[in-house]
Amino acid sequence: ETGVTQTPRHLVMGMTNKKSLKCEQHLGHNAMYWYKQSAKKPLELMFVYSLEERVENNSVPSRFSPECPNSSHLFLHLHTLQPEDSALYLCASSQDGFSYNSPLHFGNGTRLTVT
Amino acid sequence: AQKITQTQPGMFVQEKEAVTLDCTYDTSDQSYGLFWYKQPSSGEMIFLIYQGSYDEQNATEGRYSLNFQKARKSANLVISASQLGDSAMYFCAMSLYNAGGTSYGKLTFGQGTILTVHP
Repeated sequence: ETGVTQTPRHLVMGMTNKKSLKCEQHLGHNAMYWYKQSAKKPLELMFVYSLEERVENNSVPSRFSPECPNSSHLFLHLHTLQPEDSALYLCASSQDGFSYNSPLHFGNGTRLTVT
Repeated sequence: AQKITQTQPGMFVQEKEAVTLDCTYDTSDQSYGLFWYKQPSSGEMIFLIYQGSYDEQNATEGRYSLNFQKARKSANLVISASQLGDSAMYFCAMSLYNAGGTSYGKLTFGQGTILTVHP
């Protein structure tokens, strides 16, 4: 496998459910990210991990909980979400989190619908 | 704060012709990077091209070139010889080199431009 892989591709959950999004990168990168893409809004950075340490938490509500067990895997744990959390959640990785010229490589995203 | 503006919500181009997608940015920083990404209907964001603020030459990658005009703060994407597979959403994005020498993937994205290539 190559690139950045996200599962599941689609997820429908109720407001009281608990679910997790998974991301895996096969690029040997050291930094991983969660972005949220809502309709008619620019992409929003949620979390950044560099060498498995969280280095950025962009004022994200606590109902979103990231986990990075190693440099290749990233999870986003979801609980008691709201309908406005419905969006495309994109995972990305980069060679490192320290260079402004290091492009991000994105996965296909998970389309989340909260009912 | 930095900002990216893409003024074209949608663009149409005939197959095999060239098209320019506009991007202007606003930052007071001197060191920054500019990126273009393509997002097909599948959802994946595909990195296309990068231009650094100190790069003197315009970046090129195959059929993609970046028309970088620093004084005007514009970074337009030019796609030559358009193909049907180029139909997608295109995003311009910027990263900053902050005082600590890190950007932590803080890409600021524009609203995007939907490109449709007609046969």
